[in-house]
Amino acid sequence: EVQMVESGGGLVQPGGSLRLSCAASGFTFSNYWMHWVRQTSGKGLVWVSRINGDGTSTSYADSVKGRFTISRDNVKNTLYLQMNGLRVEDTAVYYCARGIGSDYWGQGTLVTVSS
Amino acid sequence: DVVMTQSPLSLPVTLGQPASISCRSSQSLVYRDGNTYLNWFHQRPGQSPRRLIYKVSNRDSGVPDRFSGSGSGTDFTLKISRVEAEDVGVYYCMQGTQWPFTFGPGTKVDIK
Repeated sequence: EVQMVESGGGLVQPGGSLRLSCAASGFTFSNYWMHWVRQTSGKGLVWVSRINGDGTSTSYADSVKGRFTISRDNVKNTLYLQMNGLRVEDTAVYYCARGIGSDYWGQGTLVTVSS
Repeated sequence: DVVMTQSPLSLPVTLGQPASISCRSSQSLVYRDGNTYLNWFHQRPGQSPRRLIYKVSNRDSGVPDRFSGSGSGTDFTLKISRVEAEDVGVYYCMQGTQWPFTFGPGTKVDIK
């Protein structure tokens, strides 16, 4: 059974950092592109970043470029999102999603940026 | 960025009756490989999105056949032939043709 479990969310002050993790199981992790998508009540669902199977290709939304870094560990079957310079507007539920077609999603982890 | 629009944004439906959601993109979603990467997702309150339809008209495993997707280019439609109580929630179209991938604003379906 395909499973993805996000962790690492929490409350952080503006300018702070967090690292999100997405532990995957039930499929050959290294064969898939992986994505981070966030959801807010105001802006809906927004794609944040993606990474290819071997980690050599990454893309970012303009709103997070230069602040967020996506990476993966294909031995640990885990996807990461390092978030630096956090802003109030980064407050959202962050989901990891599998594959080019985003066929499976984790349950999400809440990131709250507030002073 | 490709802008996705949906209509209606709110859709009260009667159980057992059909429902239809329209999705339009600001650019053609036909990719250079000839595929059209338009997906539909359903999200219930407190849950993560679940993909229903991929590449316009292909139902995901386990998705009831009352759900169907159609369209081409920039105009797409999700239809539910007979709405059931479990179909309530928000439906999103999403394009995976051009980065950054983008979602529509969502259509909230509830029972009259």
